[in-house]
Amino acid sequence: DIQMTQSPSSLSASVGDRVTITCRASQRISSYLNWYQQRPGKAPKLLIYATSTLQSGVPSRFSGSGSGTDFTLTISSLQPEDFATYYCQQTYSAPYTFGQGTKLEIE
Amino acid sequence: QVQLQESGPGLVKPSQTLSLTCTVSGGSISSGGYYWSWIRQPAGKGLEWIGRIYPSGSTNYNPSLKSRVTISVETSKNQFSLKVSSVTAADTAVYYCARVQPWDYGNAFDIWGQGTMVTVSS
Repeated sequence: DIQMTQSPSSLSASVGDRVTITCRASQRISSYLNWYQQRPGKAPKLLIYATSTLQSGVPSRFSGSGSGTDFTLTISSLQPEDFATYYCQQTYSAPYTFGQGTKLEIE
Repeated sequence: QVQLQESGPGLVKPSQTLSLTCTVSGGSISSGGYYWSWIRQPAGKGLEWIGRIYPSGSTNYNPSLKSRVTISVETSKNQFSLKVSSVTAADTAVYYCARVQPWDYGNAFDIWGQGTMVTVSS
């Protein structure tokens, strides 16, 4: 199985801050890397697919980049509704695997 | 727009079989080239992919669960289902169904059900 490792596991930030979350795969996964946002008690929501393509309806302050084994999710200017847990996921090969999550909290 | 809704018992006894159904509304489960998937999440923990099915019936499972899991599809009802046999407390989780985009859209899970909590307890 491909292991996905996110860092940091938790992050405190303020409204307006720029934040970056990193995801590393245990082997190369081409561009098959997706990012999800999960608020408490809710289902995950797709933010970015194929490394850098913004899902329809997702604000442009979210962006993704990377290749091979190293990927990043950046939120350019945090808004109150962005405080949530973020997961990366590889869909290069089954079993599809998720990172352990990054909890973004208000500082 | 397409919506997914999970349904099934919220309480299952140890050693029994967990059975859930995902109903797709707002579109046909057979069109668009989508796979359909199950994912679970124990309380306070991360996401685990269980498996996926194509409308033709072709399946892929997570090897960690493969011996106990069956995913099936009923296209006439626009539903797909999950069965997990010989359950233990470790199978207690919120179970989600999701639509999987085709490979040229990264195989991403773009639409999710709201999730259903399943507790394994006697």
